[in-house]
Amino acid sequence: ETAVFQTPNYHVTQVGNEVSFNCKQTLGHDTMYWYKQDSKKLLKIMFSYNNKQLIVNETVPRRFSPQSSDKAHLNLRIKSVEPEDSAVYLCASSWGTGRAETLYFGSGTRLTVL
Amino acid sequence: QQQVRQSPQSLTVWEGETAILNCSYEDSTFNYFPWYQQFPGEGPALLISIRSVSDKKEDGRFTIFFNKREKKLSLHITDSQPGDSATYFCAGDDTNAYKVIFGKGTHLHVLP
Repeated sequence: ETAVFQTPNYHVTQVGNEVSFNCKQTLGHDTMYWYKQDSKKLLKIMFSYNNKQLIVNETVPRRFSPQSSDKAHLNLRIKSVEPEDSAVYLCASSWGTGRAETLYFGSGTRLTVL
Repeated sequence: QQQVRQSPQSLTVWEGETAILNCSYEDSTFNYFPWYQQFPGEGPALLISIRSVSDKKEDGRFTIFFNKREKKLSLHITDSQPGDSATYFCAGDDTNAYKVIFGKGTHLHVLP
């Protein structure tokens, strides 16, 4: 049963546009993440949020920004998308940070930048 | 540098055979190693995991063998089924750095 919900499933946009992806978890976890999965399936962590505080911020371009209203929601905004942003963006949640044993993923949002 | 390496990149076996997926890591701070299974159109899901204090973990047809000295582990899938066809990710849990490091994955294709 899906416990990490992502919307939309797919999004196609033009270079330079702004996009926003939503994520909600119903597991009661206290940490949420955004991962980027490229065309070769490589998974890279972008951000993690614990109790509304940014814990990990990898060297992602400044046009990416996470937005959280509470511990159950973590959205991702991309200002002025570029072709290399085409990928699947996976939201995840866990108990505590770096707790792979409780890490649950959503089904992803596939972004295509034309 | 924290890295998790997987091999082979792609593996094809016949139904009923044993598939062996390999993984190695560099960082000695890793003490927990989960394997995730990902089907097309879905996110990765935890399949089986092992802690560094153990050398073997079994769950049905899935077994992890762990060699701490050599920093290597492997996932064995016995009696492989076409439904096992997926991408398998090995990961290392580095709680000191507050992040999970994933390998690049092994795509398994089980032929009927």
